[in-house]
Amino acid sequence: EIVMTQSPATLSVSPGERATLSCRASQSISRNLAWYQQKPGQAARLLIFGAFTRATGIPARFSGSGSGTEFTLTISSLQSEDFAVYYCQQYNNWPPTTFGQGTRLEIK
Amino acid sequence: EVQLVESGGGLVQPGRSLRLSCAASGFDFDEYAMHWVRQAPGKGLEWVSGISWNSGKIGYADSVKGRFTISRDNAKNSLYLQMNSLRAEDTALYYCARDILAAGVFDCWGQGTLVTVSS
Repeated sequence: EIVMTQSPATLSVSPGERATLSCRASQSISRNLAWYQQKPGQAARLLIFGAFTRATGIPARFSGSGSGTEFTLTISSLQSEDFAVYYCQQYNNWPPTTFGQGTRLEIK
Repeated sequence: EVQLVESGGGLVQPGRSLRLSCAASGFDFDEYAMHWVRQAPGKGLEWVSGISWNSGKIGYADSVKGRFTISRDNAKNSLYLQMNSLRAEDTALYYCARDILAAGVFDCWGQGTLVTVSS
């Protein structure tokens, strides 16, 4: 099973600043990587798939990069609604598909 | 509007069974793979099981293999999860999710149904 490791566990950033979240796969997954955002009491929302393709309706301030084993989600200018938990997920030839443990993005 | 509504959760004793349902609307259900994803209280997301549009491809997480069975009824726009031999560690909010690429990318999620396994 491919293990996904996210860092940091918690990231404190001020509104308007840039946030960079990392995700590492235990083996190469090409670009079969998605990012999700989850707010308290809500289901997850798809942000990025294919490592860098934004899902429908996702603002351009969200961008993804990487391939192989190293991936990054960047939020260019944090808005108040962006403070949430973010999960990466590999889907390289499911089953199975696996999620990272999450990064909590909090207001500094 | 695309909508997924889960039901069937509740409190159940260890070793017992439960069947979850997910009613889909607002899209052509029979064109999409579907999945179950769970989230234990205060924890992260865990993929549980997935099924292709025609039930030809089915997969399970190791943690539920042999105990859970996924199925679908395209005529009823419904997804199911039969959960047997339930354990305390199966306690979680269970989400139904639509797969936009038939590859395990979840673009639409329900609000979840809570399963609590406790004596």
